[in-house]
Amino acid sequence: AQSVTQLGSHVSVSEGALVLLRCNYSSSVPPYLFWYVQYPNQGLQLLLKYTSAATLVKGINGFEAEFKKSETSFHLTKPSAHMSDAAEYFCAVSLKAAGNKLTFGGGTRVLVKP
Amino acid sequence: DTGVSQDPRHKITKRGQNVTFRCDPISEHNRLYWYRQTLGQGPEFLTYFQNEAQLEKSRLLSDRFSAERPKGSFSTLEIQRTEQGDSAMYLCASSKTSSSYEQYFGPGTRLTVT
Repeated sequence: AQSVTQLGSHVSVSEGALVLLRCNYSSSVPPYLFWYVQYPNQGLQLLLKYTSAATLVKGINGFEAEFKKSETSFHLTKPSAHMSDAAEYFCAVSLKAAGNKLTFGGGTRVLVKP
Repeated sequence: DTGVSQDPRHKITKRGQNVTFRCDPISEHNRLYWYRQTLGQGPEFLTYFQNEAQLEKSRLLSDRFSAERPKGSFSTLEIQRTEQGDSAMYLCASSKTSSSYEQYFGPGTRLTVT
């Protein structure tokens, strides 16, 4: 079975500063990895995905993530935070053999200070 | 492409009542997933369909829960004899099996059981 751990349930950054959200996964086989963003009272929007191609993945809104197999990590970064980045971020893993159902981490809420 | 839609967006019901939620996936998406998200947590998988076939149900899906996708298009999730512990956001997502497996989420139905 696969699992996801997101380190830090809350992260506070200043506008213009680096955003770094940590995600570690556990899987018996190479998984697919995703980052989703959720704004209050809304569904989840896909930011980016890793599906065994390039290990550095670029997504929407200036976010990117790097898959590191040796560290079983898929951390999300953005060089310069914007006020609109304030939201909750979820890392998720899926396996083709398991119907591609998503297993999510607990989420990290990002607060952006002006 | 109109996205995944869910109805209703909010539902308040009294304990013991039955409720039914509807999800309309993106057209031509043959997979449809249901997730439940409680406050401050990541979404948890409930069940999924490929076309009209229900292929997997989580142990979270007690016998009070039933889901259908009768014609392989929209899906319904019914909860019978609701309990306060059923209060959550119910999220629907759809995907193509031939794509890179990303799932597109609807806005969710927030259920409050009083």
